[in-house]
Amino acid sequence: GQSLEQPSEVTAVEGAIVQINCTYQTSGFYGLSWYQQHDGGAPTFLSYNALDGLEETGRFSSFLSRSDSYGYLLLQELQMKDSASYFCAVSDDYKLSFGAGTTVTVRA
Amino acid sequence: EAGVTQSPTHLIKTRGQQATLRCSPISGHTSVYWYQQALGLGLQFLLWYDEGEERNRGNFPPRFSGRQFPNYSSELNVNALELEDSALYLCASSLRQGGTEAFFGQGTRLTVV
Repeated sequence: GQSLEQPSEVTAVEGAIVQINCTYQTSGFYGLSWYQQHDGGAPTFLSYNALDGLEETGRFSSFLSRSDSYGYLLLQELQMKDSASYFCAVSDDYKLSFGAGTTVTVRA
Repeated sequence: EAGVTQSPTHLIKTRGQQATLRCSPISGHTSVYWYQQALGLGLQFLLWYDEGEERNRGNFPPRFSGRQFPNYSSELNVNALELEDSALYLCASSLRQGGTEAFFGQGTRLTVV
């Protein structure tokens, strides 16, 4: 089956950089994606990595190492609005599975 | 372009009743996923439909079922409701198998009393 591990929570100050790690176990791996969810809202897509390397989208970057079954989401220049839950997700032949989520709290 | 739409937004049922939740994917998307998210928890995979067929289901009892229609919209049915079924039910659609980029609806908040 699939399993994903990510830290449960991270706290940082405005302007800081936060890295959320995700390790996974799966078969038939297609890619690793990241989603953001604010309280009471629906998850929104942030980024997707199918190949090794770094993908940059504005202040957010995502990295994947397929050989290590590992990826991370990098949040730069943190803003208060970045306070949310972040989920890594793995897609394979069978489903799109999510990690338990990392709650990021940004402090002034 | 319209996003993923779910109805109803909120649903209150009593224990033992049945609930039907609906999802319309983004136009052109053939894959639909259903997830259960209990308060403060992660997304638990329920069902995956693609091209009108059930491709996979999560570790939920058979009273959780669904279907996908020819227009790729989908329906989730929960029979014999239990109190612990109270949760946010999220539907997501993607362009193709594998769900490389999934778009979520706003969810249906189901409350069982």
